[in-house]
Amino acid sequence: SYELTQPPSVSVSAGQTASISCSGNRLGDKFVRWYQVKPDQPPLLVMDEDKKRPSGIPERFSGSTSGNTATLAIRGTQTIDEADYFCQVWDSNTVVFGGGTLLTVL
Amino acid sequence: QLHLQESGPGLVKPSETLSLACNVSGVSISTSSHFWGWIRRPPGKGLEWVGQIHQSGNTYYNPSLSSRVTISVDTSKNQFSLKLASVTAADTAVYYCARKLPGAFDIWGRGTRVIVSA
Repeated sequence: SYELTQPPSVSVSAGQTASISCSGNRLGDKFVRWYQVKPDQPPLLVMDEDKKRPSGIPERFSGSTSGNTATLAIRGTQTIDEADYFCQVWDSNTVVFGGGTLLTVL
Repeated sequence: QLHLQESGPGLVKPSETLSLACNVSGVSISTSSHFWGWIRRPPGKGLEWVGQIHQSGNTYYNPSLSSRVTISVDTSKNQFSLKLASVTAADTAVYYCARKLPGAFDIWGRGTRVIVSA
């Protein structure tokens, strides 16, 4: 089965840029989605098709891919950005989520 | 405005069947071209896709759960449902229903917590 690998945690100082990676075999051949999950809230789609921001998502969120790695970047990180972030792809008629990354804003 | 709301028992005994429903308001499932899915999050773990269904009845299931999962749609009630058989403590989780675009889940319910315990 297909697997996506994310770092368990990322720390960033407030105001700096946070980068969260997601890697998988031949990931560049697939569209990657990113979700933000805060405690007691449902997941929020923050990036679609690698780098498309859904309506309502701040411009400081951006997505990119290079080779087998996709990256979600959050520019000017704020405390409200503290959350778990999950990448997701569609592979062989299944939805696959990465293990998730806890973003801590210092 | 599209709204999804999960409902069902919060406590299920081991070996029994977990049954949840997702009520959809703001759009008709019967005329929607989208899939409708279930995703869960066990405590302290990540998101896990359970499966999804189209109003035509076409379904896709997580291979690791497929032997125990049934997702169905009731267009007359504008809702879709999840049944997970032979549950164990490992099935304890917050269960979300969501609308699936061609690739992403864009609208989610608030989630419902299900505990499997005797």
